[in-house]
Amino acid sequence: DVKVTQSSRYLVKRTGEKVFLECVQDMDHENMFWYRQDPGLGLRLIYFSYDVKMKEKGDIPEGYSVSREKKERFSLILESASTNQTSMYLCASSLFGRVGHGGEKLFFGSGTQLSVL
Amino acid sequence: SQQGEEDPQALSIQEGENATMNCSYKTSINNLQWYRQNSGRGLVHLILIRSNEREKHSGRLRVTLDTSKKSSSLLITASRAADTASYFCAYAGGTSYGKLTFGQGTILTVHP
Repeated sequence: DVKVTQSSRYLVKRTGEKVFLECVQDMDHENMFWYRQDPGLGLRLIYFSYDVKMKEKGDIPEGYSVSREKKERFSLILESASTNQTSMYLCASSLFGRVGHGGEKLFFGSGTQLSVL
Repeated sequence: SQQGEEDPQALSIQEGENATMNCSYKTSINNLQWYRQNSGRGLVHLILIRSNEREKHSGRLRVTLDTSKKSSSLLITASRAADTASYFCAYAGGTSYGKLTFGQGTILTVHP
């Protein structure tokens, strides 16, 4: 089975800190995604990557950056954490990354609940 | 926002009853998927229906898709207490590199 591992289950940070959220997948998937989930808002896409060193902005990229130096690892970076970034962060991966394919099923990690104080 | 909408936001039923959740979306799609999330955990893929399909079954799950109305429904038959979770629809369209747009979810509670 595909495994998507997020480095922390719970994280507490202070306003202004630089925060790294790490995600690793073990099935050689091309696509990787970072979503945030907030009550009443569902999941919103922050960034995604369809290949090593490739990245695309999602719907809410402001305040975030990402890094994908290796195929299996996709990092989300909060350059200067703010209280409005308190949220559940979900990493996901999927197999197909070709233009026009349109998306197959996502495999999710267990999530990181980030609190910014 | 292109985010999908789900209806109802919450559904409470007794074990053995059927549960129906609906999803509406705004764009043309390649496929629509349904995911389940247990409290505080990641999402798990349930079923995928392609734009040229109208109905699909998987165990106790039945999904329908009406592209003319831009809507889908998920039916869970003979529900069990273990089905208690949040359910999300998600869809991908065009040259989206596989990225999915998610609905806001339906919280299903099945009482024993």
